[in-house]
Amino acid sequence: DTAVSQTPKYLVTQMGNDKSIKCEQNLGHDTMYWYKQDSKKFLKIMFSYNNKELIINETVPNRFSPKSPDKAHLNLHINSLELGDSAVYFCASSQTTVAPPEQFFGPGTRLTVL
Amino acid sequence: RKEVEQDPGPFNVPEGATVAFNCTYSNSASQSFFWYRQDCRKEPKLLMSVYSSGNEDGRFTAQLNRASQYISLLIRDSKLSDSATYLCVVAPNAGGTSYGKLTFGQGTILTVHP
Repeated sequence: DTAVSQTPKYLVTQMGNDKSIKCEQNLGHDTMYWYKQDSKKFLKIMFSYNNKELIINETVPNRFSPKSPDKAHLNLHINSLELGDSAVYFCASSQTTVAPPEQFFGPGTRLTVL
Repeated sequence: RKEVEQDPGPFNVPEGATVAFNCTYSNSASQSFFWYRQDCRKEPKLLMSVYSSGNEDGRFTAQLNRASQYISLLIRDSKLSDSATYLCVVAPNAGGTSYGKLTFGQGTILTVHP
C-alpha cells in the first residue's frame, strides 16, 4: 500500500543515453512534483503538475521533460544524460485543498551517469 | 543569500540531551513553514508544521518568528532514533497551488549517541 512509488530505485547509465523515471501515487492527490537532490543534499524543485497541468517549471535544462498521463502519474524523461545529472530524484504529491499542504515523497531514484 | 539557511552541523549529542536547530528565510512573503526529517538514503518526511503561536508535538517544539524571519526546532530528551537530517522548509501562500512550491534548507545533521 505504498503511497508514492518510483521506478527504478537505482539507475546507472552512460553519458548521452536517454532514460525515464516513473512515479505513481495512490493517495488521490491532485498535485505531483519532481525534485532533485544533489551531492550536497540540497533538494530543489524541478516541476509540478496539478491535475495533469504543468504549474511549476523551474530553470531546468530542456533535456528534462515531465509527462503526466493522469493525475496519479508523473514521469520524468531525460535526454542526452550528462555527468551533472547524477543525483537522487524524488517524486512527491500533495492535495491543494489541504492547508498547510503536506507533501508526501517517494523513495527516490538514485541516478548515476558514467 | 540563500532563500532558506540552516546551520548544517553536524550536531553530536548524547541520549537525553536537548538540542535546538535554527533556520532563517529571506522571503518575507513566505506563509507556510515546516520541519521535515530525512533519514540516510531515504525520502524526506514531514515532522511538523510551524505556526506563529508555536506548536509542540511530544518532545518536539517548533517556533516561528515572522519579524526576524526565523524558525526553530527544539528536541528534548533526544533518542538514538532522532538521528537524521532535519530540513527547514518554507512555502509561499498566494492561494491556489502556488504554496506547493517548497523551498528547502540544506538540512542540519543530528547524531544522537549512547
